[in-house]
Amino acid sequence: DTEVTQTPKHLVMGMTNKKSLKCEQHMGHRAMYWYKQKAKKPPELMFVYSYEKLSINESVPSRFSPECPNSSLLNLHLHALQPEDSALYLCASSSPGRNTEAFFGQGTRLTVV
Amino acid sequence: AQSVSQHNHHVILSEAASLELGCNYSYGGTVNLFWYVQYPGQHLQLLLKYFSGDPLVKGIKGFEAEFIKSKFSFNLRKPSVQWSDTAEYFCAVRGTYKYIFGTGTRLKVLA
Repeated sequence: DTEVTQTPKHLVMGMTNKKSLKCEQHMGHRAMYWYKQKAKKPPELMFVYSYEKLSINESVPSRFSPECPNSSLLNLHLHALQPEDSALYLCASSSPGRNTEAFFGQGTRLTVV
Repeated sequence: AQSVSQHNHHVILSEAASLELGCNYSYGGTVNLFWYVQYPGQHLQLLLKYFSGDPLVKGIKGFEAEFIKSKFSFNLRKPSVQWSDTAEYFCAVRGTYKYIFGTGTRLKVLA
């Protein structure tokens, strides 16, 4: 199984809503990532978890809150988002060391209204 | 600083034409280099990767890339493109605990 599964595929939320994005992998990877991708732009790193601990936060606003409850799951909790946060949110996983590629999920297309 | 630059932002080719997409990286350590492809409406898929050894790397769907250390380059090539190669192509480098992507090249292949 080389899949990274993200749910939901699409999400529309209001600026006062609280929602969560979920990501799951069963490849035994101990590094997991959240990326944000705006239209016609490359993926931009938001967070990295290594062995279930947050290792990188790329100065992401606190309205995005990541969580890694176990080695297979990664969540992104959303609260009080702005319309400019509308984007494709990608989850990825990899082995934590070097000489390894990242596997990406299909993403959650988020629209903030 | 770790970075990746792709020089071709939009490329339009006819079927059977040859393709070369440029990628230059900046990273001080041992490089891990990648090309990912994103077909319309689909997720990022790995085309090929370079970790060490033979600098000419072959990937899926007839793509190959050449690592030239002296030029800090990792250019993607395909001898004969097909309409189904229409997609966005991202070069990436593994930095410290993260993958860093170039700005992408949007390839359109005309049938």
